[in-house]
Amino acid sequence: NAGVMQNPRHLVRRRGQEARLRCSPMKGHSHVYWYRQLPEEGLKFMVYLQKENIIDESGMPKERFSAEFPKEGPSILRIQQVVRGDSAAYFCASSPALLGELFFGEGSRLTVL
Amino acid sequence: DQQVKQNSPSLSVQEGRISILNCDYTNSMFDYFLWYKKYPAEGPTFLISISSIKDKNEDGRFTVFLNKSAKHLSLHIVPSQPGDSAVYFCAAVSNAGGTSYGKLTFGQGTILTVHP
Repeated sequence: NAGVMQNPRHLVRRRGQEARLRCSPMKGHSHVYWYRQLPEEGLKFMVYLQKENIIDESGMPKERFSAEFPKEGPSILRIQQVVRGDSAAYFCASSPALLGELFFGEGSRLTVL
Repeated sequence: DQQVKQNSPSLSVQEGRISILNCDYTNSMFDYFLWYKKYPAEGPTFLISISSIKDKNEDGRFTVFLNKSAKHLSLHIVPSQPGDSAVYFCAAVSNAGGTSYGKLTFGQGTILTVHP
C-alpha cells in the first residue's frame, strides 16, 4: 500500500510564475490536508479537502493560493504569481476518516528565485 | 500567535540515556496532543498521542506526559538510540463540539541528536 505521494519533490520558479503541487492520498483515504513549513518553523495548516469539496481553507492566504481535490485524480495546490516568501516545504497528509490519523507525504520543496 | 511552543531548538543526548522533549501550549481548547518525528527530506511520521483526559501514555520506549494545569506536555524517550536522531514536533488539536479533524497546530520542532 503506497503512502501519500507528492510531486514534484522539488520545484523552482521565478517570481510571477505559477506553481502546481500534486498530492495522491493513500488508497482508501478521502480526507486530504495541506500544510506549509517555512524555514525554521513548524508546519502550519493551510486547507482541508474531501473529494470535490473544500471543507476548511482558513489557513490559506486570501490571494494567489487555491486548492482542489477532484473526483478523479490527485489533489492540487496551486500558487499563482509566486513571490520569494512562498519558498517553503509544502506537505500533504491524508486520513481515512474524519478523526483518523494523518499520514504525511515527503513534501514538495518550492524555491522562488 | 504561537499557540504551541517548543522552546528548545535542539537537544543532545548520549545513547542509552533519557531524552526529554518539552512543549507548552496556550489554547485551553486543545484536548488532544500528538508527537511527530521527522527525518530530513521526509514527511512527519506519527509517534504517540495523548488525550486531555489522561496524564500519561506509554508506547514502548516512548512516553508522553500531560500537565493540563501547566499547559505543558513532554515526550520521554528511554533508552535513547542513535536512530532516534530527528526533529520532533509537538502538535495539538481541539475536538470541541465534535467538529474537529486533522487541523493540527504544530510547534517549531526540537532537533534531537543522540550520540553513540
